[in-house]
Amino acid sequence: LAKTTQPISMDSYEGQEVNITCSHNNIATNDYITWYQQFPSQGPRFIIQGYKTKVTNEVASLFIPADRKSSTLSLPRVSLSDTAVYYCLVVGDSGYSTLTFGKGTMLLVSP
Amino acid sequence: GAVVSQHPSWVICKSGTSVKIECRSLDFQATTMFWYRQFPKQSLMLMATSNEGSKATYEQGVEKDKFLINHASLTLSTLTVTSAHPEDSSFYICSASSGGTEAFFGQGTRLTVV
Repeated sequence: LAKTTQPISMDSYEGQEVNITCSHNNIATNDYITWYQQFPSQGPRFIIQGYKTKVTNEVASLFIPADRKSSTLSLPRVSLSDTAVYYCLVVGDSGYSTLTFGKGTMLLVSP
Repeated sequence: GAVVSQHPSWVICKSGTSVKIECRSLDFQATTMFWYRQFPKQSLMLMATSNEGSKATYEQGVEKDKFLINHASLTLSTLTVTSAHPEDSSFYICSASSGGTEAFFGQGTRLTVV
């Protein structure tokens, strides 16, 4: 299993762009990188997933360098409601044989 | 995204009783389901992984006789906490996957044992 490392916490202000980086040095060839968001007392919500280069959807972008040993979740113009814990996971494409969470990054957005 | 429904959202039970939590995939077939436990201000801890029709695989340190998992169909998995005690009070979350690269989570169940 590829272990992930993220900052424990980050602070930002409304309207700023937030970039959260995740390290996954021993990622395997068939692994995908997935990010989840979790609010207190709720289950995690899927944000974005990627394999290489850049992926963008309506809520975020995911940047993955060529060596794939890290990835960066980019949240454009955050709002107070983006205050949550963000988890980076590495999962093989053979299915979710295991789905293990690291400690996550607590993002606090202030006015 | 796909919807996973978890029930109940919260439950309070007396010490020594058993509690069953249901996890349903509403619009897809979940070949694999995961059960997690989360304590306050901590990450999700994987308890077990179950594939439809097979026995669940438990993580190290998780008592399989205490946390009974049944995945009898492609849309339903249940977690039964047997003889619950106050230390079992936690937030329990299920996740379901159809075998692809995405997994979807239920809303969680807050268990309080008194």
